[in-house]
Amino acid sequence: LAKTTQPISMDSYEGQEVNITCSHNNIATNDYITWYQQFPSQGPRFIIQGYKTKVTNEVASLFIPADRKSSTLSLPRVSLSDTAVYYCLASGGSYIPTFGRGTSLIVHP
Amino acid sequence: GAGVSQTPSNKVTEKGKYVELRCDPISGHTALYWYRQSLGQGPEFLIYFQGTGAADDSGLPNDRFFAVRPEGSVSTLKIQRTERGDSAVYLCASSPTFTGGVGELFFGEGSRLTVL
Repeated sequence: LAKTTQPISMDSYEGQEVNITCSHNNIATNDYITWYQQFPSQGPRFIIQGYKTKVTNEVASLFIPADRKSSTLSLPRVSLSDTAVYYCLASGGSYIPTFGRGTSLIVHP
Repeated sequence: GAGVSQTPSNKVTEKGKYVELRCDPISGHTALYWYRQSLGQGPEFLIYFQGTGAADDSGLPNDRFFAVRPEGSVSTLKIQRTERGDSAVYLCASSPTFTGGVGELFFGEGSRLTVL
């Protein structure tokens, strides 16, 4: 179960690409990197998960360098509705998913 | 609905009272998790069930907290002698089976507990 570090907050503007980087220096061989999104008064929602290189889905892309000590969640062309808290998790199949404080992203008009 | 359902959505109680929070997971999901979230913090793990049994209750803060899942579907989180510090949003999540940090957790909208 790797400790993750991510910025407490970020600001962006509509239409911009947002990149949120997460550090997980002590990631283990079996650990996967997972990102969740949480809106106020809702539970977290799974966005994307990856092990290495690049993963893309209809919502976001996840970039993981070869050493896997960090990862970057990329949100293309954000809108106001992307304002939320984003959590980075790094853990394997034997561990309970553990959440940190996340990154509060505010998208401005 | 097809998602995780939690009731009540809001609960206000007085210090010292007993509270029950209910979670109805996605049908067929054998793994069920309870988390607690305080303002400005991420969800904090409380307990996890695989089927009917509590596989890991290491996150329960003290013996005033207890959870059951008698038939392997609906779960109830029970808090005795509530304290003001128990005020938080209690989140339930489920997954098809336990895969730890691999795979997706499906969360409900939470039960907001306020202890006066």
